[in-house]
Amino acid sequence: NAGVMQNPRHLVRRRGQEARLRCSPMKGHSHVYWYRQLPEEGLKFMVYLQKENIIDESGMPKERFSAEFPKEGPSILRIQQVVRGDSAAYFCASSPPAGGFNGYTFGSGTRLTVV
Amino acid sequence: TQLLEQSPQFLSIQEGENLTVYCNSSSVFSSLQWYRQEPGEGPVLLVTVVTGGEVKKLKRLTFQFGDARKDSSLHITAAQPGDTGLYLCADTWSNTGKLIFGQGTTLQVKP
Repeated sequence: NAGVMQNPRHLVRRRGQEARLRCSPMKGHSHVYWYRQLPEEGLKFMVYLQKENIIDESGMPKERFSAEFPKEGPSILRIQQVVRGDSAAYFCASSPPAGGFNGYTFGSGTRLTVV
Repeated sequence: TQLLEQSPQFLSIQEGENLTVYCNSSSVFSSLQWYRQEPGEGPVLLVTVVTGGEVKKLKRLTFQFGDARKDSSLHITAAQPGDTGLYLCADTWSNTGKLIFGQGTTLQVKP
């Protein structure tokens, strides 16, 4: 019974390139959340998705960031034209259809480094 | 905007000592969750507390939720090196299940 799978674990991009982060939720989970964590800080909410729908994107920067959760396949967080300030750990969490109140399951994260 | 403040930010103790970390909110919690995050990994849920005054125990960890549901504490008895990590409190804010996290307490337990 695999947990939340994120890949890649580490990603290095040059300024101006695109970063694609993937998240496969736990089996039976239809809700996906993306969070960003800067060094020695807590996690900041970015976006909440269900299959083919963005439910809450109030934490997403207005430009360069987008997220999707297609009917088939993993959820993707896409960052276009990355800048140094995008360097962070990005975590995905999933929850069952009842929502996150029973606790999410987090993935191990993707550590993005922009050089 | 709700703010969660955790204290202390850093704590370094010897194995066997007791410790308490705190989480305070600028507004009433919907429900409070505590997570532990080890280096290089994602947070793992420890406990959810909902009712004011609630106390929950998880082995050597004791979680208290304030009567007014605006503060919480986590007490660890006889800390072990395996307790080392970042302890995060979070509020399940809004009906969407979005979590608002505090900045965390980094705990180091030396053997």
